[in-house]
Formats: sequence, C-alpha cells, structure tokens
Amino acid sequence: NAGVTQTPKFRVLKTGQSMTLLCAQDMNHEYMYWYRQDPGMGLRLIHYSVGEGTTAKGEVPDGYNVSRLKKQNFLLGLESAAPSQTSVYFCASTDRAGASNTGELFFGEGSRLTVL
Amino acid sequence: RKEVEQDPGPFNVPEGATVAFNCTYSNSASQSFFWYRQDCRKEPKLLMSVYSSGNEDGRFTAQLNRASQYISLLIRDSKLSDSATYLCVTSRGDSSYKLIFGSGTRLLVRP
Repeated sequence: NAGVTQTPKFRVLKTGQSMTLLCAQDMNHEYMYWYRQDPGMGLRLIHYSVGEGTTAKGEVPDGYNVSRLKKQNFLLGLESAAPSQTSVYFCASTDRAGASNTGELFFGEGSRLTVL
Repeated sequence: RKEVEQDPGPFNVPEGATVAFNCTYSNSASQSFFWYRQDCRKEPKLLMSVYSSGNEDGRFTAQLNRASQYISLLIRDSKLSDSATYLCVTSRGDSSYKLIFGSGTRLLVRP
C-alpha cells in the first residue's frame, strides 16, 4: 500500500542550488497537487495538475516549476533555491469521484527542505 | 486576509472535556467544506466532510452556517489521542478540486 510517495524526505540546499522533488502515486489518480506548509501559514498550493501533461499555477508558484509527464508522477523543481523556500512540501492526489464526493486528498509524508 | 481563518490555539483541555473549534471563510463561492487532522510532523488526513444540515461521526460533530460563512467542529469526551492540529478546509467546487486550508487549530488533551 504505497499510496503517495515523496522523495527525498529531507534535503539541505545552499542558496542558488537546484533540486527536484518527486511525487509518485499508485492509485491512478488524475489530480495531483504540491503544497508547502510553513508555521502559522497552513498549507499553500504551489502548483497542481488535473491530468497527465497538464499543470497550472496555485497560490504561491513563484520560484517553482512542475511537470506531469506521466500520470503517476508529479515533479516539483526549484531552479535557484532561496532561504524563503525553506519549508515542508506535501504532495497530494485525488480522483474525480473522491474529490467530488468526499473531498479527500491523499497526502505523501512530506519533504523537509532547508535552504541555507 | 486569509481565505480561511482559524484560531491557532492551542486549546489545552483535560480528558473527557468537550471542545469546539471555529472557522470562518471569506470566499462566498466556496462550495464544499471539510475538517482535516494533522498529527505532529505528519501529513494531513481527512477527518470529516461538513454538510449544511450538520453531521456527526462518533464523538465529532461538524456544523456549517453558509449565511455567516462559519464552520465548527465539536469534539465530545476528548481522548489523549485527539491531540493534533485540526485544519479547516474549503473548496470552490471548480473542476480543479483545489482545497484551501486554514492554518489550523492545535488541540492538546491532557490526562
């Protein structure tokens, strides 16, 4: 029962470095999301995808890029990391039935990123 | 102003107490409402949906007041295991199914 898997779970970067977070889901979900969570701010949507090959901006997209080349994978990239991107990143997925009926998003365990 | 506002707490209550959390939302286009639970350093998980008529799931009762744009969660007979952060969540009901999260209310249940 893998569900939603995020890699890596922890990473320390220096300012200006680049990296990619990988989200993989094995539930055949159409919808995938990347959120960041900061103290006192709750979860904020960075980018999302409503299907393979499609992506869209969320609430806080600046400094991030995403790709959804395969239905099961949603990649989040930081081209030039900044200390303001220090956060916990959560990937989530759902399908149309789940979203419309129960509102349930399935989350990964999170990726803790520190930018020095 | 945040689209979903919650009292951050923490609410510190003894076992067996009844505790209520409130939440307000500012976007009148919000269509669906939920409570999620997040344990320390874990991912959020759906606790329950919130319906206009109110709904109950065991010790948990959720209420929605669309006119006042207000959502509540009542927990009766609190258990130690209820200690967590409770996130108020809305959705605008568009085709992207994006969820908007409040910053959460922290609950600590003491023995």
